[in-house]
Amino acid sequence: DAGITQSPRYKITETGRQVTLMCHQTWSHSYMFWYRQDLGHGLRLIYYSAAADITDKGEVPDGYVVSRSKTENFPLTLESATRSQTSVYFCASSQTGPANTGELFFGEGSRLTVL
Amino acid sequence: GNSVTQMEGPVTLSEEAFLTINCTYTATGYPSLFWYVQYPGEGLQLLLKATKADDKGSNKGFEATYRKETTSFHLEKGSVQVSDSAVYFCALSHRGSTLGRLYFGRGTQLTVWP
Repeated sequence: DAGITQSPRYKITETGRQVTLMCHQTWSHSYMFWYRQDLGHGLRLIYYSAAADITDKGEVPDGYVVSRSKTENFPLTLESATRSQTSVYFCASSQTGPANTGELFFGEGSRLTVL
Repeated sequence: GNSVTQMEGPVTLSEEAFLTINCTYTATGYPSLFWYVQYPGEGLQLLLKATKADDKGSNKGFEATYRKETTSFHLEKGSVQVSDSAVYFCALSHRGSTLGRLYFGRGTQLTVWP
C-alpha cells in the first residue's frame, strides 16, 4: 500500500547501544522529517531532508544521525542511545513545488525505550 | 522566530458539548496555519488548514479562522463526540520557507465522555 511506514513500531534497548529507526515512503515526496514527541514538549524536529543526499539539523539533533541515499528512505540512527532519548519518533514527508500546501504526512510512530 | 502556543490540557467534555482549543502564533510574514489530530496509537493527520488571513478551515465539524489581528487560530466544534477524543496540535508553516517545515504547539489532549 502507498504511504509512509516506520519500523520497528516498538523497540527496547540499553544505554550505549546503537539503534536505527527506519522510514519508507512511496509517494516520491522530496521532503522528509524526523520528529520526537515527548510529554510537555509536543513535537520537536530532529532532522530534515529536502532531497536525496541533502539533510540538515532541526531543533534537537544531538545524539542522532540521518542519511538519505534514496528518496524513499530516511533512516534515523541513535549512535549511542541514552535514557533521555526514550520517546516516540515520527517520520513525515511532504510534497514539493506548487502542490506543496505545507501539509505533512506522518507515519504511525516508533516507540523507543532506552533502559 | 516562529512559534505556536496552544492551551494546556487535558480538556474533558461530555458528548455534545461545545469545544474550543485556543492557539496563538508568532511568525514573521504570513504563515499558513494548521490543526493536526492524533488518535490513540496513531500518527498525526491533518484536520484543517488556512493559508491566509480571514480564511476559515473546516473539516468533520471542526472549524478554525485565521485571525491576523489577534495572531490566533482557535479550534472549535459545536457538538463533540466520543470519537473526537484525541490529541490536537496547532502548527504553522512559514510561507517563505522552501522546506515546508512545520512548527508545532505542545498539543491538547481532549477526552469526551458519553
